[in-house]
Amino acid sequence: GAVVSQHPSWVICKSGTSVKIECRSLDFQATTMFWYRQFPKQSLMLMATSNEGSKATYEQGVEKDKFLINHASLTLSTLTVTSAHPEDSSFYICSASHRVNTEAFFGQGTRLTVV
Amino acid sequence: GENVEQHPSTLSVQEGDSAVIKCTYSDSASNYFPWYKQELGKGPQLIIDIRSNVGEKKDQRIAVTLNKTAKHFSLHITETQPEDSAVYFCAPRRENNNAGNMLTFGGGTRLMVKP
Repeated sequence: GAVVSQHPSWVICKSGTSVKIECRSLDFQATTMFWYRQFPKQSLMLMATSNEGSKATYEQGVEKDKFLINHASLTLSTLTVTSAHPEDSSFYICSASHRVNTEAFFGQGTRLTVV
Repeated sequence: GENVEQHPSTLSVQEGDSAVIKCTYSDSASNYFPWYKQELGKGPQLIIDIRSNVGEKKDQRIAVTLNKTAKHFSLHITETQPEDSAVYFCAPRRENNNAGNMLTFGGGTRLMVKP
């Protein structure tokens, strides 16, 4: 199956700093990628839809100025958490697929801890 | 949007027993019904899916059954093994829509298989 790789798998940062998470589709092109956030023992909640070459679409309640998404190529989307706070500590997961109506492949996730 | 519920939220079984997890949804236009398995600290992985033109699909020890009239589908795991212990999510959606592969996840079911 297709592979989606996230980097880093975990990161610890200080409050007020910014952190960038990368999501790459390794063997296919993804015009659309999705970013999810998952708090402990909870389900995945969609944060935003990342579209190659255009602005991301954010879900209600997600601050677009805080969670910057860039989808510069068909194989790479990045999520930058700006001015991180402890409440941003969470597990962030991306997904991508070849085309509409095919299986969504997930990255391995990034555990962010803000201290 | 889709309203998705899973039951039970936790399930503990003895190794070798069967496990059944039910997912109910609200969007009658949903036509793709996947189940994902998420192990601790990892992203979700698709384990089985079904489309609305069939009522049941089986893959070795796992199966999915669909009742479109009642708007629910279930995951069945037979002869459970300790490595089946994980959190399972359903994520019904419409294919052929403009949302691509955006997924709305159920709340998750934590399955524990006791040796």
